[in-house]
Amino acid sequence: DVKVTQSSRYLVKRTGEKVFLECVQDMDHENMFWYRQDPGLGLRLIYFSYDVKMKEKGDIPEGYSVSREKKERFSLILESASTNQTSMYLCASTGTGLTMNTEAFFGQGTRLTVV
Amino acid sequence: AQSVAQPEDQVNVAEGNPLTVKCTYSVSGNPYLFWYVQYPNRGLQFLLKYITGDNLVKGSYGFEAEFNKSQTSFHLKKPSALVSDSALYFCAVREGRDDKIIFGKGTRLHILP
Repeated sequence: DVKVTQSSRYLVKRTGEKVFLECVQDMDHENMFWYRQDPGLGLRLIYFSYDVKMKEKGDIPEGYSVSREKKERFSLILESASTNQTSMYLCASTGTGLTMNTEAFFGQGTRLTVV
Repeated sequence: AQSVAQPEDQVNVAEGNPLTVKCTYSVSGNPYLFWYVQYPNRGLQFLLKYITGDNLVKGSYGFEAEFNKSQTSFHLKKPSALVSDSALYFCAVREGRDDKIIFGKGTRLHILP
């Protein structure tokens, strides 16, 4: 069974803290994504990575960075957490087959609260 | 850049009636189209996809979707709604196999008993 695992379901952090959200997939997928989900705004892409050490900005990268040192792991970093980064964060991965493994597989989500 | 629109924030349907959740998209090339469902406090679950071939695709839980290239639409349908179908539904588009996946804002489906 395919799996995308996010390290925490719930996190509470203080303003100004450096926050790491970890995501691991066991499907040997090339592509990995970080989204944030807010009511009425849907899923917005923060960053994605199509290979180890490669990354591209999504639609809302400000205040975030990412790291992909190994194929299976994609980390999202909040350099200095702010209250407007309180949100649900979702990690996903996909393969690059023509017809197989084209859909995204999601982790269970991390609900981050910044106080 | 690709984009997805879900014009309805909420759809209410009586149990046993057919349901439709609308989605339109914009891409410059051939689209890969997806539907996902999200239950409370859960991640997104994949329902179905259109890559190529037959315009009517069937997926999980009795859902299907019809790809209409001329109208750039990919509406989600089910012939007979269940109360358990109540959830948040997302349409998504991908332009090519190496590209990012962009999601719509979601449509909340309420099935009324």
